[in-house]
Amino acid sequence: TQLLEQSPQFLSIQEGENLTVYCNSSSVFSSLQWYRQEPGEGPVLLVTVVTGGEVKKLKRLTFQFGDARKDSSLHITAAQPGDTGLYLCAGDPGGSYIPTFGRGTSLIVHP
Amino acid sequence: DTGVSQDPRHKITKRGQNVTFRCDPISEHNRLYWYRQTLGQGPEFLTYFQNEAQLEKSRLLSDRFSAERPKGSFSTLEIQRTEQGDSAMYLCASSLDSSYNEQFFGPGTRLTVL
Repeated sequence: TQLLEQSPQFLSIQEGENLTVYCNSSSVFSSLQWYRQEPGEGPVLLVTVVTGGEVKKLKRLTFQFGDARKDSSLHITAAQPGDTGLYLCAGDPGGSYIPTFGRGTSLIVHP
Repeated sequence: DTGVSQDPRHKITKRGQNVTFRCDPISEHNRLYWYRQTLGQGPEFLTYFQNEAQLEKSRLLSDRFSAERPKGSFSTLEIQRTEQGDSAMYLCASSLDSSYNEQFFGPGTRLTVL
């Protein structure tokens, strides 16, 4: 059982469509990070959410942290082929300094 | 800021051989992490250092794996007597000593054990 469950596992959409991916847990996190990883490369940090109910925007990407700090979502508006990649959420359960990662959502945006 | 670097990027070895990977973190980062990632999975924690001290090792890390971070700068990960199941991407990340523990990853070393 994964501490952080991500859904969907795979997503294949056309350019211009909107999408939302989810990161859920039964545990409370003091913060959650979202990363994007391209094939053959390491993950790249996109954002950190800290406060319950917080919403952060990064161009066409909108990140939300659940009120109870147990879940988070990533919404992409008007997806582009450059958004293709593996989206990972991660957090330190119980402030352990040992990040746990979800399995990720693999997104393909077709031109 | 040159980011986190890893060497080599790719390593092909025969079963039973020893391999060593190197990671150079962002210079002002005092934490350094090693992860393993296989297809369809997120990064899996292996071990981490705070400066030169190895503070935590995953229970999944067998005795064939050892990591060092002499002088609190670069780190090496050695795998002895490699097995085919060791084939994976090995990722290194560094972070600042902050409550958010944001990870900055290197490009990874892709290991293939034949």
